[in-house]
Amino acid sequence: GQQVQQSPASLVLQEGENAELQCNFSTSLNSMQWFYQRPGGSLVSLFYNPSGTKHSGRLTSTTVIKERRSSLHISSSQTTDSGTYLCALGGSNAKLTFGKGTKLSVKS
Amino acid sequence: DPKIIQKPKYLVAVTGSEKILICEQYLGHNAMYWYRQSAKKPLEFMFSYSYQKLMDNQTASSRFQPQSSKKNHLDLQITALKPDDSATYFCASSQGLGGTSAETLYFGSGTRLTVL
Repeated sequence: GQQVQQSPASLVLQEGENAELQCNFSTSLNSMQWFYQRPGGSLVSLFYNPSGTKHSGRLTSTTVIKERRSSLHISSSQTTDSGTYLCALGGSNAKLTFGKGTKLSVKS
Repeated sequence: DPKIIQKPKYLVAVTGSEKILICEQYLGHNAMYWYRQSAKKPLEFMFSYSYQKLMDNQTASSRFQPQSSKKNHLDLQITALKPDDSATYFCASSQGLGGTSAETLYFGSGTRLTVL
């Protein structure tokens, strides 16, 4: 079965609203990373967060190992936040297993 | 300036032909990877290299052959191309494989391959 599940699959927000993206995983965790994939396809690393909470600007990532979940919180969304957010579970040799992503659309 | 360069950005090939996808990284990283993203599947791990040595291979087909001529190069040769090989191929790199933040991956912008 799928090791990494993301929800929701898609999300539409009005500019200024907050978003909570979820990532659940079914296997043990070596690492957890969050990426942003631009509409054009390129990927940008947002967080390396195997446990605990990390902040970067309007973004917050929280990983709870016992509950096998990680979340990405986006506050005060902007139209430029539109794109796909991917979580990835790290295994041996830094091999990442990706979820299918959450496609976010922020409207002005 | 992009630190991971992939060439070409777009590639169209005919079934049965052979192509090479180029990847160079200028981040000083020791590990490099290939991932594939097709329309119906999540990003999939293909290969990992560390110090020019193959560390992991999750590609069932021998038609996919990585080639590392230098530490900062990891090209991908694909032979006997099939329409199912159509996908965007991403190269990535990281400082190391050690299970720390050094594993943070940085991705190139991808090569979109279409096989007719």
